[in-house]
Amino acid sequence: AQSVTQLGSHVSVSEGALVLLRCNYSSSVPPYLFWYVQYPNQGLQLLLKYTTGATLVKGINGFEAEFKKSETSFHLTKPSAHMSDAAEYFCAVSAPGSQGNLIFGKGTKLSVKP
Amino acid sequence: GAGVSQSPRYKVTKRGQDVALRCDPISGHVSLYWYRQALGQGPEFLTYFNYEAQQDKSGLPNDRFSAERPEGSISTLTIQRTEQRDSAMYRCASSLLARGSYNEQFFGPGTRLTVL
Repeated sequence: AQSVTQLGSHVSVSEGALVLLRCNYSSSVPPYLFWYVQYPNQGLQLLLKYTTGATLVKGINGFEAEFKKSETSFHLTKPSAHMSDAAEYFCAVSAPGSQGNLIFGKGTKLSVKP
Repeated sequence: GAGVSQSPRYKVTKRGQDVALRCDPISGHVSLYWYRQALGQGPEFLTYFNYEAQQDKSGLPNDRFSAERPEGSISTLTIQRTEQRDSAMYRCASSLLARGSYNEQFFGPGTRLTVL
C-alpha cells in the first residue's frame, strides 16, 4: 500500500528565507507525485507534479521539487519565501495506471514571518 | 471559466439526520472524485466516477454513505443517519480525462459538515 509522510506539521520561515517542505513516500513502484497548496477558504490547487522525465520539476509561484528515487523523497523548495506563500501544503501520490485517486500526506502549514 | 463548485459550503446538522452534499465539476470533465478531510489530516479518497459510472467506492466508510452522478455531470454525496464522527470537510475534484493517474485534479472549496 502506498503512503505519504510529511515531516513537520508546521514550518515557519522569515520572508526571503529558503522554504523546504519535506515529503517521503512508500510505494512498491515509483508513483506519480504531486504538491498541492491550500489557501484559507479555498480548494486545493496544484503546485507541481512529477510523472516521468526530468526529476527536477518547476511549478507555479517559484516552487520546485526534486524526485529522488533512492531516497523515496519529493521535497518542495522555494529559494525566497514571500508573505503570500503562507498556506497549507499537501504532498500526494498516485499509482501509475490506476484510476488516479490521490493519497495525501497530513499536510504542512507554512508560516512566513516579516 | 468556472471551477469546481460545491454546495452548501457549510452544513450543520443534528445526529441522525440525512445530508446531501453537491458537487458541480468543471464542464466537460469526465472524472469526478470525492474525498473527506478530517481536521489536521490530508484528504482521504471516498469514491470515483467516470462519466455516470461509479468505478470505485472502496473508500466509503460504511453503507450510510452513497454517491451518484446520474447524468455524468453533477454529483451528490449522501450521508444517512449522520453521526458525530462524520464531521469533516468533504472535497470534490474533477479531472478532464477518464482514468490516468497523472492527470491534474481540480478541487472545489469543500463542504464543512458539522454533526451535533
